[in-house]
Amino acid sequence: EAAVTQSPRNKVAVTGGKVTLSCNQTNNHNNMYWYRQDTGHGLRLIHYSYGAGSTEKGDIPDGYKASRPSQENFSLILELATPSQTSVYFCASGEGRAEVFFGKGTRLTVV
Amino acid sequence: QQKVQQSPESLTVSEGAMASLNCTFSDGTSNNFRWYRQHSAKGLEVLVSIFSDGEKEEGRFTAHLNRANLHVSLHIREPQPSDSAVYLCAVSMMNYNQGKLIFGQGTKLSIKP
Repeated sequence: EAAVTQSPRNKVAVTGGKVTLSCNQTNNHNNMYWYRQDTGHGLRLIHYSYGAGSTEKGDIPDGYKASRPSQENFSLILELATPSQTSVYFCASGEGRAEVFFGKGTRLTVV
Repeated sequence: QQKVQQSPESLTVSEGAMASLNCTFSDGTSNNFRWYRQHSAKGLEVLVSIFSDGEKEEGRFTAHLNRANLHVSLHIREPQPSDSAVYLCAVSMMNYNQGKLIFGQGTKLSIKP
């Protein structure tokens, strides 16, 4: 079965600190995505990747970096975390016209 | 920029009655549409994906797409209390990168026993 695994599932970070959210997929998909979900906004695309070594900006990339070191792994990096980045973050993988699979989410609180 | 709007914001339906959710989008060249279900504090579960005008059924879930009217709907037949969740409409415009999705804000569905 298609699987996207996120870690950690919950994270509390301090303002100004560095945060790394990790995502691993076993679907052998080329495309991977990071979204954030906030009340009233649905899910919004932050960064995505077409394959190892590639990262592209999504609709709301400011304050975030991404890294795709391998086919399986895609990380979201907050170099200087701010309280406005408190949210639930979802990773997803997909390929062509096939289904898009989402992880269970990471709840990030920046204090 | 594509806009996706869902209505109603919340909906309460009695168990066994039909539940109907709506989604409008702004770009008629959009080419794939998905409905997801999200139980509280959980991930997203895809219910129906539809790529052409008309109807697509997956079990108790049926999606209707009318691109001329910029409208896609989801109908849930014989809903059960376990169907209580947030339902998300998502739209993509890219054949080769269909994970680049624009989401609506969601409809919170409650099923009364």
